[in-house]
Amino acid sequence: AQTVTQSQPEMSVQEAETVTLSCTYDTSESDYYLFWYKQPPSRQMILVIRQEAYKQQNATENRFSVNFQKAAKSFSLKISDSQLGDAAMYFCASENGQNFVFGPGTRLSVLP
Amino acid sequence: DGGITQSPKYLFRKEGQNVTLSCEQNLNHDAMYWYRQDPGQGLRLIYYSQIVNDFQKGDIAEGYSVSREKKESFPLTVTSAQKNPTAFYLCASSIAAAGVNTEAFFGQGTRLTVV
Repeated sequence: AQTVTQSQPEMSVQEAETVTLSCTYDTSESDYYLFWYKQPPSRQMILVIRQEAYKQQNATENRFSVNFQKAAKSFSLKISDSQLGDAAMYFCASENGQNFVFGPGTRLSVLP
Repeated sequence: DGGITQSPKYLFRKEGQNVTLSCEQNLNHDAMYWYRQDPGQGLRLIYYSQIVNDFQKGDIAEGYSVSREKKESFPLTVTSAQKNPTAFYLCASSIAAAGVNTEAFFGQGTRLTVV
């Protein structure tokens, strides 16, 4: 079965600083997508960033970027210039051609 | 505006009752999903459907049932056989192209409480 692991249940970062959230996954698929979703207190799931596995270049979206290591099956999220609005649960996810598999989440706190 | 609508936002159920959670999308997506989220935990897959009139069990399907009679709709019934139904339920949809799902779009969720 496909699995996604997030080893950091909680993280904190000072406002304007940089933080990296870790994620590892296991899949037997050759082509797949990886995702980071944000869930703020409203509980609405918001896509932060997406990476297609066959693309070697790491995805970036403004202050958000990933470090995708395909051989190591690692997919970390870097948030630069952290803002108070970045405080949320962050879920790493993969898709297996049938559905989406989510990790347990990392709760990120941003300290003023 | 296109999107996914879940209703109701809050739902209370007496023990022994079946309840149905609604999920409707106007994104013209083929695939739809139901996830359960317990406090402080990740999303666990209940059921999913890649096409109309077809659906598959996820990791925690026991005590739940679904139907997919229309492309736009994927209702979830929580039956009395579900021992611990109090949770937050999320519906999602995606484009399924060439066997790859490029992004899951989520509804706002339904909070179900057993009283």
